[in-house]
Formats: sequence, C-alpha cells, structure tokens
Amino acid sequence: DAGITQSPRHKVTETGTPVTLRCHQTENHRYMYWYRQDPGHGLRLIHYSYGVKDTDKGEVSDGYSVSRSKTEDFLLTLESATSSQTSVYFCAISPGQPTIYNEQFFGPGTRLTVL
Amino acid sequence: AQSVTQPDIHITVSEGASLELRCNYSYGATPYLFWYVQSPGQGLQLLLKYFSGDTLVQGIKGFEAEFKRSQSSFNLRKPSVHWSDAAEYFCAVEDSNYQLIWGAGTKLIIKP
Repeated sequence: DAGITQSPRHKVTETGTPVTLRCHQTENHRYMYWYRQDPGHGLRLIHYSYGVKDTDKGEVSDGYSVSRSKTEDFLLTLESATSSQTSVYFCAISPGQPTIYNEQFFGPGTRLTVL
Repeated sequence: AQSVTQPDIHITVSEGASLELRCNYSYGATPYLFWYVQSPGQGLQLLLKYFSGDTLVQGIKGFEAEFKRSQSSFNLRKPSVHWSDAAEYFCAVEDSNYQLIWGAGTKLIIKP
C-alpha cells in the first residue's frame, strides 16, 4: 500500500472556527490532491499540488486553502468552517509523470463534522 | 467538456450472479481510464486501468473491464460476485492536466 496518512481521522468543530487537515506521504510523489466526498456527488477535487509551493484550484475550492512546503506534506485549511463543509476528505497522491498514466493512491480519509 | 457518467446509482445482484457496471466517458483524446472501489468506511483502491493495447483489461479481485471506443464506454464486469464485493465503484478518466475526472459512483448491493 502507498504510504499516505491523514490526520486527524475524525474531527468535530464549530461553525466559524479554522480547521487544518494534514496529508503526509512517504512515496516522494510529485502530485498531491484534496478531494471531498458527499453522497450523490462522488469525489470532487478541492485543490491539488504539482510540486513544493505549486498549487492550483479544483472544482470546489471556495472556502479552502492549501499549502505545500515540503514534498511529503499537503495541508488543507478551512479558514472559517461552515456546515456545508461537513464531509469526508480524501488526500491522494500520484507520480504525475507525463509518459505514463497517472494512477492516484488514496489516503484513509478524514471525517469532518461542522456543527 | 470532459465528463464521466455512471448511469446506475445502485445495483443489486445475488451472490454468485454476474455483474456489469456501466461507465461512459466524454473525452477528445485517447483516454486513460480507471475503475476504483471503495469499501464502507475506507479509502479508494484501484481495481484496474486502461491506457493502451488490449481493450480487455484484467484487474484485482477477479474484475475485468472492456474499453469500447465506438461506444465511449469502459464497463466493469465480474462473472460471479461475492458478498465481499459489496462496495461503491467509481469510474474515472484522466485529463490532460493529470487530473482524474470522476463518475458519481455506483453502489453495489449483494443479496444473499
């Protein structure tokens, strides 16, 4: 299994508070992704990173920011959590090499509840 | 726009019966296609992938999928399902930015 951990695994917080989720990889993969998963929506991309300090927005980036100061860590921050951000958050990694298909490997997920 | 459609939200099959999960994609170039499985409370695991060559690809856990360019489809099949196959299945296509475009998923329910 790819070495991907997410922390925390579960979190309950209140509306308006900041929240940071961490994704850590030991595979030295170039690309890292944050998704949210909600019933009926499948996986939706929030932000992704294609290298240290290189990030870009995904489909549902409003209300979220990310940072990647080291290859192995990708942080997702909810600046001021809202109830609509209650979800399961998945981190994924991939080599991102242009010559091969870009298989993504997933972390175990973080269940976030915003009250 | 690129998209992936999984027409069936839920599918129920009896244990031991055959299974086919549908996936249709919209993508202009040669697609890289994936099927992932998500067991309850777990992350996603890659079942199989297609990027070139033989259009019938074999995956883990006895699954296979067939790429049909003329139908823009990449359907997942298994000849005989087991109760442990109950999960949600996601089809995805890779776009030119190395991102995956995901279908909404199909939940597989197994009847004893």
